Amino acid sequence: QSVLTQPPSASGTPGQRVTISCSGGTSNIGSDYVYWYQQLPRTAPKLLIYSNTQRPSGVPGRFSGSKSDTSASLAIDGLQSEDEADYYCAIWDDSLSKYVFGTGTKVTVL
Amino acid sequence: EVKLVESGGGVVQPGGSLRLSCAASGFTFDASAMHWVRQAPGKGLEWVATITGDGVSSYYVDSVTGRFTVSRDNSKNFLSLQMSSLRTEDTAIYYCARDTYKWNPGTIADWGQGTLVTVS
Repeated sequence: QSVLTQPPSASGTPGQRVTISCSGGTSNIGSDYVYWYQQLPRTAPKLLIYSNTQRPSGVPGRFSGSKSDTSASLAIDGLQSEDEADYYCAIWDDSLSKYVFGTGTKVTVL
Repeated sequence: EVKLVESGGGVVQPGGSLRLSCAASGFTFDASAMHWVRQAPGKGLEWVATITGDGVSSYYVDSVTGRFTVSRDNSKNFLSLQMSSLRTEDTAIYYCARDTYKWNPGTIADWGQGTLVTVS
């Protein structure tokens, strides 16, 4: 079982704001950068956010990341139908030299 | 354009062995740490292993330590995962993935299409 806990599901109508949480602890999120990945159905994951808040080129501006103490969040502002996917938070735990993915959140566009 | 192409997946009996390969192109291979990440059917992502760009250091999830070995050939731009003593719970799609850093992993920027390993 992952040390990074996410809600199993989230949903919204087109145009709404959806927020996904990622809860950890002081030894992981509190100490390391958080990454977010999007996995569309039947495709490989894609990097969405790195270093807590940074978007790679090509990722729409409606996606944003934040981190506070022992939790992190991914927000989708202006939800679109193509955002229907699974979303995973992750960290590289420097103290353990291990990469950890969150439990994953399925986002549904109503 | 970064390209990562996995191969070597298939069906293997419990206790058997399999070697996965990943052919990389479109970037300076030895400047990137590389990862293997797997996804069991209907489940979430699970990190498996990481190797630094120079191949000196490697790291594993506890459940595969002692059974899996990650290696790389920087002269041929190839990444490998040697899997032995396979268990049914190793059944998954295995993704090869590129990090943006050589020695300090974290940002998995590019992913292959995955190769399916079935232990049955």
